[in-house]
Amino acid sequence: NAGVTQTPKFQVLKTGQSMTLQCAQDMNHEYMSWYRQDPGMGLRLIHYSVGAGITDQGEVPNGYNVSRSTTEDFPLRLLSAAPSQTSVYFCASQGGWSSYEQYFGPGTRLTVT
Amino acid sequence: AQSVAQPEDQVNVAEGNPLTVKCTYSVSGNPYLFWYVQYPNRGLQFLLKYITGDNLVKGSYGFEAEFNKSQTSFHLKKPSALVSDSALYFCAVRRAGNNRKLIWGLGTSLAVNP
Repeated sequence: NAGVTQTPKFQVLKTGQSMTLQCAQDMNHEYMSWYRQDPGMGLRLIHYSVGAGITDQGEVPNGYNVSRSTTEDFPLRLLSAAPSQTSVYFCASQGGWSSYEQYFGPGTRLTVT
Repeated sequence: AQSVAQPEDQVNVAEGNPLTVKCTYSVSGNPYLFWYVQYPNRGLQFLLKYITGDNLVKGSYGFEAEFNKSQTSFHLKKPSALVSDSALYFCAVRRAGNNRKLIWGLGTSLAVNP
């Protein structure tokens, strides 16, 4: 049981490039989410999904797209990278309504130059 | 609007001494409250939660937290700090019955000195 996995661990992009951050979980969790973590700003929710085929925006969705074609995978796409997207990105998952704990992946450190 | 405040950016404590990391919240209705810990270069790990029932909840690694409804607080405590407790601690809240989105505090960096 690997839990929540994220790839890559580190990435450097040039302004304007696009890329996809991968996230997968093997716990059959319905709920998955993407956060970014910036110094002094805590965790901010980018997008989330309550099940396959269902996604919604969080508090900072601009510049990011998501899709949820399977229960296991929840990729985050940066459409045209900007220096303001330099951050550490975390994926998290959570089980059903009676499950309260969120499980986090190890994070992806992204630098946009 | 829902919010979580962690009034201290950093807490310093000597090893063996009790520690407290403070959290206050603002949410309509009954809150679900959580503490998570983040060690350097790692993802967040769940420590403990308050959903209902006893106001004092116990969690991982000897941590506990007390829910105080009148003061809208959920302070994290440990009777005897360890150097290995040094990490970033996050308080989070969600409204009971709402979706699973959490509102996060900005985090408190705990440094336990030997």
